[in-house]
Amino acid sequence: EADIYQTPRYLVIGTGKKITLECSQTMGHDKMYWYQQDPGMELHLIHYSYGVNSTEKGDLSSESTVSRIRTEHFPLTLESARPSHTSQYLCASSETNRARDNYGYTFGSGTRLTVV
Amino acid sequence: KNEVEQSPQNLTAQEGEFITINCSYSVGISALHWLQQHPGGGIVSLFMLSSGKKKHGRLIATINIQEKHSSLHITASHPRDSAVYICAVSDNYGQNFVFGPGTRLSVLP
Repeated sequence: EADIYQTPRYLVIGTGKKITLECSQTMGHDKMYWYQQDPGMELHLIHYSYGVNSTEKGDLSSESTVSRIRTEHFPLTLESARPSHTSQYLCASSETNRARDNYGYTFGSGTRLTVV
Repeated sequence: KNEVEQSPQNLTAQEGEFITINCSYSVGISALHWLQQHPGGGIVSLFMLSSGKKKHGRLIATINIQEKHSSLHITASHPRDSAVYICAVSDNYGQNFVFGPGTRLSVLP
């Protein structure tokens, strides 16, 4: 049962289009993250947020932008999609200073983006 | 040298076999995570460890902080265990993740 939701699951879009990938979580987590993963490759952090109105760029340079107006919502936007943006985008959330017994992170199911 | 390394890179096992995946890291950490990624791309967090050993069903994870090494064991493996298993380390229980390259496990019936 998913507590973090990403939409759309798959998206094929033309070059130059503006797109927004949605991510919402119902757990009240203060931290949220966006990761990019090319097929068969490692995950790379592209954006993170430690709370409302807090956003930071991650390790991997990305042309995308994010916003965090509400705790539960962390959308990622590409103003002008290009084929080089073709990848999987994974959203995740976590809580501050809380070590759950077996789980520290919750991941969304991902959005597989193809830009043609 | 990558900060987080995993071995083996690929692993094929027969159903029922005991499986071990290893992770070594070279940075100071607060916690180590084991993640499971199925072919569809979704990721499930299996364990978060800061010391010792944890067990969840057929999965066991251990960590040796002094040796900077962790292992993920799967007992009585099953084809549904087929996935990529990713080791990741973090500070402050979830900040600044560094991911390993993943181990692709295939369990044959």
